[in-house]
Amino acid sequence: DVKVTQSSRYLVKRTGEKVFLECVQDMDHENMFWYRQDPGLGLRLIYFSYDVKMKEKGDIPEGYSVSREKKERFSLILESASTNQTSMYLCASSLTGDIQPQHFGDGTRLSIL
Amino acid sequence: GENVEQHPSTLSVQEGDSAVIKCTYSDSASNYFPWYKQELGKRPQLIIDIRSNVGEKKDQRIAVTLNKTAKHFSLHITETQPEDSAVYFCAASIDNTDKLIFGTGTRLQVFP
Repeated sequence: DVKVTQSSRYLVKRTGEKVFLECVQDMDHENMFWYRQDPGLGLRLIYFSYDVKMKEKGDIPEGYSVSREKKERFSLILESASTNQTSMYLCASSLTGDIQPQHFGDGTRLSIL
Repeated sequence: GENVEQHPSTLSVQEGDSAVIKCTYSDSASNYFPWYKQELGKRPQLIIDIRSNVGEKKDQRIAVTLNKTAKHFSLHITETQPEDSAVYFCAASIDNTDKLIFGTGTRLQVFP
């Protein structure tokens, strides 16, 4: 069974802080994704990585960056956190080739005060 | 840009009744359509998916239908049970990539 693990379930930070959200998958998946989930807006893609050191912007990349130094780990970085980045963040992974299902982590509920 | 519209946003049914959730998509190149169920406080979990070369797929009480001409697909749940209560998301692949675009979700409540 695929396991996608996000480092924190809940996180509270202050405006202006640099915030790191970590995600690890154990199934050797090539693709990894970061989404933001807000009520009434569904899941919106922030960034996508299809290989180590490779990344692609999603629909809402402003204020975020990502890092993928190893295949199993994908980090989301808030360079200077703002209150409008308070949200639920979901990481997912999938195999590449003939589009495969995405498997999600439990999410990190981030509050920026 | 590409988008997926999902209706209704909330749906209440009596236990044993059927529930139908509908989605429309805009990208003609979309060829993969998964449905996810998210229970309160839990991760989204894939419950069924369909590819563009198939018109219908069933798995026990759950079925998905796809109309490529009209660009819409639907989730059908028969004989609903209280444990079916959750938020359901549809999604469609975009740009011939591994990326998905999600609908805004449907909160299904099944009353005993």
